[in-house]
Order: sequence, then structure tokens, then C-alpha cells
Amino acid sequence: AQKITQTQPGMFVQEKEAVTLDCTYDTSDPSYGLFWYKQPSSGEMIFLIYQGSYDQQNATEGRYSLNFQKARKSANLVISASQLGDSAMYFCAMREAGGTSYGKLTFGQGTILTVHP
Amino acid sequence: NAGVTQTPKFQVLKTGQSMTLQCAQDMNHEYMSWYRQDPGMGLRLIHYSVGAGITDQGEVPNGYNVSRSTTEDFPLRLLSAAPSQTSVYFCASRRSGFNGYTFGSGTRLTVV
Repeated sequence: AQKITQTQPGMFVQEKEAVTLDCTYDTSDPSYGLFWYKQPSSGEMIFLIYQGSYDQQNATEGRYSLNFQKARKSANLVISASQLGDSAMYFCAMREAGGTSYGKLTFGQGTILTVHP
Repeated sequence: NAGVTQTPKFQVLKTGQSMTLQCAQDMNHEYMSWYRQDPGMGLRLIHYSVGAGITDQGEVPNGYNVSRSTTEDFPLRLLSAAPSQTSVYFCASRRSGFNGYTFGSGTRLTVV
């Protein structure tokens, strides 16, 4: 079974508007972490934001926020005031704390975001 | 600069050749891992290590070997390259107790 699912292969947004990238996850581990990474066309992996399963508040980092709905097992990334430089591939990833999963990141398939001027 | 260094950045191999992808980090991170990235499939874990002398298999280990003789280095060996191993390979490291992973810049490998 897919542990991380990103159902949007591609998304388009107008510059300066907000956009939400979807991510759902599957785990029975009560302790886990959720990550979002950005991969521009140059290929590097850029860390954006992290949410721990026990965190009470949604994570925010500048224009990025993570809409964490634990009961629904979703961890959507919200980018406010989109910029042309936000055009990239975005990956959702999860790390489970327990057992043999310790430390391993599992990635979704990615969403390509295109920001139009 | 501190970080994860991967070499080479690009490589073309012939089917059946062997080679080693290098990964080094200077942050004293305990955890290191190798991923491959293929179109439409995200990043998939090949092998990982939680410390010197300790390695384990990830999701797609077949055709690859690793070793971790030092904290700093985590090389990935392709034993007999196959066209199915054409991919972009990323090395990543993390310090125990911290959440952030640091990724290398990747190695683009083509097997012909």
C-alpha cells in the first residue's frame, strides 16, 4: 500500500495567488514526521517544512504552511502569494519513528507546480 | 561548505560495468541513505545506514551494495550496471535527534 499519496500530478496557479498541494499518508505508527520538499528544475532537494505527529499547531515557514489533519491523515502544503520561482516539483514525505522504519523517509510521487504570470 | 557531497554529477556506463557513487558528509550525521529518483515514482530508498558499520536495505536494494566504514562516507556500488538502473541518485544524511535531512546535489546515471 502507498504510504504517501500525492494525487495531483500537476497544478497551475496565478502569480500572487495561494495554492494547496495535497498529500495523504498511511501509517499505524503513533510517532511520525511529515516533510515537504521542493525540487526546482536544477534538481536539488530543498527542505520546506516539517510537521511532527504530536505537534499541536500547524507548521508554518514564511509563505509555506502545512495544513495537518491527523484524523484524515492529510498533510497539505499551502503556498501563499505564489511567485514565479515557486514553479517546481513538490514532494511530500514521511518518516516513521518505530521499528525498522526508524529514520527512513518515504516519498510521494510528487506534484509539478507551475506559476503563471 | 558543510553538507553532503556526491560525486560524480554525471556518469554514463555500459551494461555490465561496475562503478561506485560517492557520498560524503562533514556534519557528523549518524544516518545516511541512498535514494533513486525515477519519473512518476518519487524518490525510493535503496540502502541506508544508522551508523558506521551498520547498513540495511531499503525498498529497491537489488543490484546495489553499500558499506559504511566511517561516519563520513557512504558509497553506493553498482555491481553490474543494467539499463533499469538509469536514474538520478541522491544521498541524504540526518543527525540523530533532529528532523532535517540534508540532500546531496544528485548523480545522474545513464546505463546504455
